[in-house]
Amino acid sequence: DGGITQSPKYLFRKEGQNVTLSCEQNLNHDAMYWYRQDPGQGLRLIYYSQIVNDFQKGDIAEGYSVSREKKESFPLTVTSAQKNPTAFYLCASSPYSGTGVVQESPDSYTFGSGTRLTVV
Amino acid sequence: GNSVTQMEGPVTLSEEAFLTINCTYTATGYPSLFWYVQYPGEGLQLLLKATKADDKGSNKGFEATYRKETTSFHLEKGSVQVSDSAVYFCALTPYSSASKIIFGSGTRLSIRP
Repeated sequence: DGGITQSPKYLFRKEGQNVTLSCEQNLNHDAMYWYRQDPGQGLRLIYYSQIVNDFQKGDIAEGYSVSREKKESFPLTVTSAQKNPTAFYLCASSPYSGTGVVQESPDSYTFGSGTRLTVV
Repeated sequence: GNSVTQMEGPVTLSEEAFLTINCTYTATGYPSLFWYVQYPGEGLQLLLKATKADDKGSNKGFEATYRKETTSFHLEKGSVQVSDSAVYFCALTPYSSASKIIFGSGTRLSIRP
């Protein structure tokens, strides 16, 4: 079955360390996204990518970095510059509209099951 | 700006009770409105949607009607089951093509047997 796989499910980071969260999809979707979810708050967009080797900052990109070397993979690195990294991270993907605009209708989004990151 | 406001949870109900989760929005133009559900340990799944005023979205016994006059999209179900226990997110995409999904803060629903 096609879908999105995020790993690991739980991740612990020491202060000052970088960590990388994995996101892989086999849906042949062009666009991929990373969201952060904090208790009592909605999802906030960190980064998104429409095509391979290209990505754009979302609303809260500071302290994060991404790469998109393959269509199937969109790893997120939480750097030591991120002051409050403890959160739940969700990856998503969607088909590309082909019109130069990311197909952003929520119908077309598929979400992973998330990674919970805790700073210890 | 664009925003979504949901009722705070958690909401705890007994099985077969009537459910309402309130959602109101602020947006320019005519946004599309959505409800997503997140079951324990899983990602978000689209539950239902409405793309224009007075549309009613429905799925799995859940319904929501796009009310432009009250800028609301309340989620309802006539008889909840234990399996409905999850976190529910209201969301919108604004009318412009440069839109992004805007999520509400989520409402946790727990159903007692």
